[in-house]
Amino acid sequence: EPEVTQTPSHQVTQMGQEVILRCVPISNHLYFYWYRQILGQKVEFLVSFYNNEISEKSEIFDDQFSVERPDGSNFTLKIRSTKLEDSAMYFCASSDRGGGNTIYFGEGSWLTVV
Amino acid sequence: GESVGLHLPTLSVQEGDNSIINCAYSNSASDYFIWYKQESGKGPQFIIDIRSNMDKRQGQRVTVLLNKTVKHLSLQIAATQPGDSAVYFCAENPYNQGGKLIFGQGTELSVKP
Repeated sequence: EPEVTQTPSHQVTQMGQEVILRCVPISNHLYFYWYRQILGQKVEFLVSFYNNEISEKSEIFDDQFSVERPDGSNFTLKIRSTKLEDSAMYFCASSDRGGGNTIYFGEGSWLTVV
Repeated sequence: GESVGLHLPTLSVQEGDNSIINCAYSNSASDYFIWYKQESGKGPQFIIDIRSNMDKRQGQRVTVLLNKTVKHLSLQIAATQPGDSAVYFCAENPYNQGGKLIFGQGTELSVKP
């Protein structure tokens, strides 16, 4: 069964460092997303991406965050200068169509900022 | 503001019993709803979805009920098994907001053998 894959599964970084989280969405999907989940809390939407541009973003997704689809298969989330409060599980997700269609999630990248 | 909340944070059932997990949503503009299952350390796994033009949808051992009048969503799991133990999230997709999902807090289901 096709799945969303994410790397790394766990990353520890120092405050102020840049982090790039990588994702390979399901191959025929066109819509890509990043969500995050702080430990013990609910999953929160960060950003959606379609046709090489951001289509929606939340208030969490400030100037420290950026997304990119550098090639035909990868989708990345960059955090320029990490803060302690960025520690969370980051989930990549994808869907074949936009709103109102099933969104499939990856296993997550656990980011710890120290 | 927008919110999706769950009535019960934890639910403990006996193996073989039926489970009902409830969810309240507040955005009347939402037209698509999904239930996800999340096991420890893993990503949300799709279980079942329902559109706002329906009030019931059945899958394998699962049923989702939607009551738009009171903005209530429920997930019923028949013959609950130990492998069903996980945190269950409901999520809503507001109309015209693409693939943005608003998640509830989650209910932890514990199945006793």
